[in-house]
Amino acid sequence: GAVVSQHPSWVICKSGTSVKIECRSLDFQATTMFWYRQFPKQSLMLMATSNEGSKATYEQGVEKDKFLINHASLTLSTLTVTSAHPEDSSFYICSAEDNANTEAFFGQGTRLTVV
Amino acid sequence: KQEVTQIPAALSVPEGENLVLNCSFTDSAIYNLQWFRQDPGKGLTSLLLIQSSQREQTSGRLNASLDKSSGRSTLYIAASQPGDSATYLCATDKIIFGKGTRLHILP
Repeated sequence: GAVVSQHPSWVICKSGTSVKIECRSLDFQATTMFWYRQFPKQSLMLMATSNEGSKATYEQGVEKDKFLINHASLTLSTLTVTSAHPEDSSFYICSAEDNANTEAFFGQGTRLTVV
Repeated sequence: KQEVTQIPAALSVPEGENLVLNCSFTDSAIYNLQWFRQDPGKGLTSLLLIQSSQREQTSGRLNASLDKSSGRSTLYIAASQPGDSATYLCATDKIIFGKGTRLHILP
């Protein structure tokens, strides 16, 4: 099956610093990638939809200047959490959609802890 | 606005039993519904994808059904095993997720 690799799997950073998370589709081209955030015992909440070569579409309430998304190629999207604060600590997951727009394949997730 | 609800929130059953997980959604205008499995602290594993034109999908011991008109989907797990213990999530159009059902299979 299709594989989506997310890196890093966990990261601890100091408040005020920026963290970049990568999401790669390893064996297929993904024109669309999705970024989600999941708080403990909560469901996944879509943050933004990332389309290759264009600006990401952010969900209501998600600050686009704080969560920078870049989708420069058909196999890579990045999420940068800028000026991270402790309340940004969460589990971030990406998914990639193959060009047939069928299944969504998910990365392993990134546990971000801001101290 | 689409809302996805999963009942029950948690379920414990003895090994070997068949079980049904429920997913309901408020807006029937969906393109697809997908079931996922999530192990603690891990990402999601796709289990079954049902397109809006389909009524069910099967994979091994798993069977998922979709009734768009009533806004419901079920995930049927046959002959449950301890390795099936996980949180099961459903999502409409890969965007709106339920909170999941935490399943614990008792050995």
